[in-house]
Amino acid sequence: KAGVTQTPRYLIKTRGQQVTLSCSPISGHRSVSWYQQTPGQGLQFLFEYFSETQRNKGNFPGRFSGRQFSNSRSEMNVSTLELGDSALYLCASSREGGWSTTEAFFGQGTRLTVV
Amino acid sequence: QKEVEQNSGPLSVPEGAIASLNCTYSDRGSQSFFWYRQYSGKSPELIMSIYSNGDKEDGRFTAQLNKASQYVSLLIRDSQPSDSATYLCAVISHAGGTSYGKLTFGQGTILTVHP
Repeated sequence: KAGVTQTPRYLIKTRGQQVTLSCSPISGHRSVSWYQQTPGQGLQFLFEYFSETQRNKGNFPGRFSGRQFSNSRSEMNVSTLELGDSALYLCASSREGGWSTTEAFFGQGTRLTVV
Repeated sequence: QKEVEQNSGPLSVPEGAIASLNCTYSDRGSQSFFWYRQYSGKSPELIMSIYSNGDKEDGRFTAQLNKASQYVSLLIRDSQPSDSATYLCAVISHAGGTSYGKLTFGQGTILTVHP
């Protein structure tokens, strides 16, 4: 069974640019969550999508956005990149994602470097 | 107070010993608890989930949950050098409203198992 797939694995962008990251969940999983991981802040929740609807959002500026498609694949977009956006961006999928959720499995992540 | 706190590391144990990792959480309404292992440069890997008070064993790993004390722990028996990694405690919390798909992570404990 294929795991969570994130593309691309590595990205280098310039300040002010925008970037789109992609996540394909495990087959049958309908919930996709996104996280940012940095050495200083650890793993922080960005947002969660289920059936093409954003159900939950973390405390990040509006420059961070996402969407989910009918096949459960998800994309995350960051506009007007700042140096502080350099991080490992992780996507996790789970079957339902509710409060009594089943386990969430992470993709390999996308390492974004903003220069 | 942080929502999820883990015992400060790093933790160093000899090969074959028991490694004990601890985590406390602030939201008494939390229902789902997870332990992830993250090797350097890799994404988090789910190793245990626990939802009810008591112990849950899986191979060399035992997760313990005490909701009254708001405490969850992970024991690794017969520790191996390959267990050397950062261990992340994660909780599905109701704090701040909806909890859909939102894992709240501790800062992680670095475990080193030396031969």
